[in-house]
Amino acid sequence: GAGVSQSPSNKVTEKGKDVELRCDPISGHTALYWYRQSLGQGLEFLIYFQGNSAPDKSGLPSDRFSAERTGGSVSTLTIQRTQQEDSAVYLCASSFSQAGSYEQYFGPGTRLTVT
Amino acid sequence: AQSVTQLGSHVSVSEGALVLLRCNYSSSVPPYLFWYVQYPNQGLQLLLKYTSAATLVKGINGFEAEFKKSETSFHLTKPSAHMSDAAEYFCAVSVPNTPLVFGKGTRLSVIA
Repeated sequence: GAGVSQSPSNKVTEKGKDVELRCDPISGHTALYWYRQSLGQGLEFLIYFQGNSAPDKSGLPSDRFSAERTGGSVSTLTIQRTQQEDSAVYLCASSFSQAGSYEQYFGPGTRLTVT
Repeated sequence: AQSVTQLGSHVSVSEGALVLLRCNYSSSVPPYLFWYVQYPNQGLQLLLKYTSAATLVKGINGFEAEFKKSETSFHLTKPSAHMSDAAEYFCAVSVPNTPLVFGKGTRLSVIA
């Protein structure tokens, strides 16, 4: 079946603009995760969803970041008033369950560049 | 809280040589452990996982890892490196109802 898809693959935006990043998880996966990968910082957890609810928002770096998931499927990560330090690759992953033992399947990422 | 330490941000081996990528974890409860590989401009792909069954875990592409509780380690090995193994490798730890915690990654270079 289809894997995790993300769009756009690349996004260049001007500082101060808002951006929306989309993730389409594997069908049937109830858990969905957002990570940020930047040079020198490794993989940084942002937020995860179990169904449509987000029990853990602790990783969001500021209140400019928000995410939602509707219908237990597609998720959107929104960054308002983008800053240059937001430039990174944003990775989405999904898994069958948030039971811990289930592996996460990753999408190809969205490369965000803030100029 | 869980944590992962990957020793060596960059490892270089000759083609045909042993690959050893080190990972140590910290967890207050029995963990699940994973190794992921990332090729340039791609997402992460699961290599193998430990979920409290056999301590020696075999994965894809000839990789394996051994869970050693006494050493809190989960090192990744491959007997003979191929050029196609050049990539970034991430070790990760998870416990129930928490997201994965990743190490900072080890970039593997394979020299012909």
